[in-house]
Amino acid sequence: DAGVIQSPRHEVTEMGQEVTLRCKPISGHDYLFWYRQTMMRGLELLIYFNNNVPIDDSGMPEDRFSAKMPNASFSTLKIQPSEPRDSAVYFCASRRGLYNEQFFGPGTRLTVL
Amino acid sequence: AQTVTQSQPEMSVQEAETVTLSCTYDTSESDYYLFWYKQPPSRQMILVIRQEAYKQQNATENRFSVNFQKAAKSFSLKISDSQLGDAAMYFCAYRPDSNYQLIWGAGTKLIIKP
Repeated sequence: DAGVIQSPRHEVTEMGQEVTLRCKPISGHDYLFWYRQTMMRGLELLIYFNNNVPIDDSGMPEDRFSAKMPNASFSTLKIQPSEPRDSAVYFCASRRGLYNEQFFGPGTRLTVL
Repeated sequence: AQTVTQSQPEMSVQEAETVTLSCTYDTSESDYYLFWYKQPPSRQMILVIRQEAYKQQNATENRFSVNFQKAAKSFSLKISDSQLGDAAMYFCAYRPDSNYQLIWGAGTKLIIKP
């Protein structure tokens, strides 16, 4: 299996622009997680899905952030409008079932100027 | 509140020697899982080892082993015969059986001296 795939790997944008991050989980995994990692706050869970349904989005910082999972093989995290404080590495992870470990994608480094 | 503490922001070890990274956690749950993840400069988060709280035997994966002390709520990672490729950030994570979210420590940066 190719593992969790994220795109793009790097994104540089200007404040106010819309940013869309993409994730393809491992086939057969029914949980998908979006994380944000910064030096100041460490690794934060933003939202997670089970069978394409959002279960807990309490970590989403503001209404500017939204996430979707239209099918089992694709998810997006959108920031609109983006701000410099959104600069971070965003990880997607997937997991099969309740008791297995999460597998992480390579992350997307977002820089908002 | 459930928390995970990694008290060592940075550790260094000579190549081929042994190093231990510490992790403590706070919980009132009896069933849970503990993990160590490695994050090299490539940023990829890689699972190193996992431990189920109901298992008394310490988990081992090749050169990596844990010292799980449930009563003390301690979960340290021992790396034997350290190699240059072990240089990375190491994160300890906890997941209660009643909740599917991982709670993360702040990480320990491991430096390997050649």
